[in-house]
Amino acid sequence: DQQVKQNSPSLSVQEGRISILNCDYTNSMFDYFLWYKKYPAEGPTFLISISSIKDKNEDGRFTVFLNKSAKHLSLHIVPSQPGDSAVYFCAASVNSGAGSYQLTFGKGTKLSVIP
Amino acid sequence: SQTIHQWPATLVQPVGSPLSLECTVEGTSNPNLYWYRQAAGRGLQLLFYSVGIGQISSEVPQNLSASRPQDRQFILSSKKLLLSDSGFYLCAWDSGLHEETQYFGPGTRLLVL
Repeated sequence: DQQVKQNSPSLSVQEGRISILNCDYTNSMFDYFLWYKKYPAEGPTFLISISSIKDKNEDGRFTVFLNKSAKHLSLHIVPSQPGDSAVYFCAASVNSGAGSYQLTFGKGTKLSVIP
Repeated sequence: SQTIHQWPATLVQPVGSPLSLECTVEGTSNPNLYWYRQAAGRGLQLLFYSVGIGQISSEVPQNLSASRPQDRQFILSSKKLLLSDSGFYLCAWDSGLHEETQYFGPGTRLLVL
């Protein structure tokens, strides 16, 4: 059972426009959500996160929105740049006890920003 | 600043051979450490995590094992590799201070033939 879903495997956006990446989850115990960006053959890079007590977090061109009632979050990138082309993973966190947190990842969305 | 290292970067191994992947973290103490695998076309799957030396929790039953012989060293092993063990293996850490962001290493690409 996939607890974190990214239903769009790919997305193409024109440079300068907004990119919106979506993520849905099923486990109401998740209390923290993260977005990672990944280039081929590299480890994921942390991008932005949001606590379940908030509905929006912004960092420069990146904004994450959380709708707890719908169990949905989205990442907005404005304006999109060619260097943003990568695979974006949504992840959700739950406290697994003893101070560690388990991240559950979606399968990723490949973003292509067209110059 | 903290850095995380993984080696080797790429590995090609025959079926049935042993495996040892190493991960080390610098610039932090008492981190939580994690091993993930990304199979082709799939998301990241948590394999093992460790909250301290000698403490290993397994998330997925398999022929892999993990060990943490030192505070900032995490090792992924197998006695006999299977074809299905091919994938991209990622080590990650967090501060162990109830901060929920994990930071990933560069990964090891393993191909079992």
